[in-house]
Amino acid sequence: QSVLTQPPSVSGTPGQRVTISCSGSNSNIGRNSVNWYQHLPGTAPKLLIYKNNQRPSGVPDRVSGSKSGTSASLAISGLQSEDEADYYCASWDDSLNGFWLFGGGTKLTVL
Amino acid sequence: QGQLVESGGGVVQPGRSLRLSCLASGFTFSNYGMHWVRQAPGKGLQWVASISYVPSNRYYADAVKGRFTISRDNSKNALYLQMNNVGTEDTAIYYCAKELETWGQGTVVTVSS
Repeated sequence: QSVLTQPPSVSGTPGQRVTISCSGSNSNIGRNSVNWYQHLPGTAPKLLIYKNNQRPSGVPDRVSGSKSGTSASLAISGLQSEDEADYYCASWDDSLNGFWLFGGGTKLTVL
Repeated sequence: QGQLVESGGGVVQPGRSLRLSCLASGFTFSNYGMHWVRQAPGKGLQWVASISYVPSNRYYADAVKGRFTISRDNSKNALYLQMNNVGTEDTAIYYCAKELETWGQGTVVTVSS
């Protein structure tokens, strides 16, 4: 099955802005929307962004998402220590019978 | 948004079977597609299976196709994952999720002899 490619790690200092990329293909990101999740070990993953750039209620506006072609990005500005977590992108893939794809995950470290 | 509570995890021997359950509350269960997603030790999230709100549409990851079956009982607000012929590669935390927006806390499955 296809893959969504994310950088294994990113880092930033408090107050900085960081971005996490997610690269796919025409059968997934190119034709379908992207979700982004925050995940802390041992807890339930939390939806941060849906439909490429929509924030669920309760997610601060310093978190934003975008999509262009077969790639998507998550941006977090005003970085805070509590942002340190794993982040995943996800998209539906239309090939074969259809399936959901998750990116490999990106560990965000707040220095 | 609702609440999801998984159960049924445990230690199982390779080649045996296990059934996971997910009990939903706080929303109209029958109106939503549901999913199972897992995380193996030290690995990322991996989609396992999905079922539409009308149970005729089911989708599976290649890694579990032919071995796992997703089902739902809308009268009980319950989602299930029947896991047959499990292998050590199936060791993971299994999460159920409503439309991949609301997630449960997960149940741990360990496949070991």
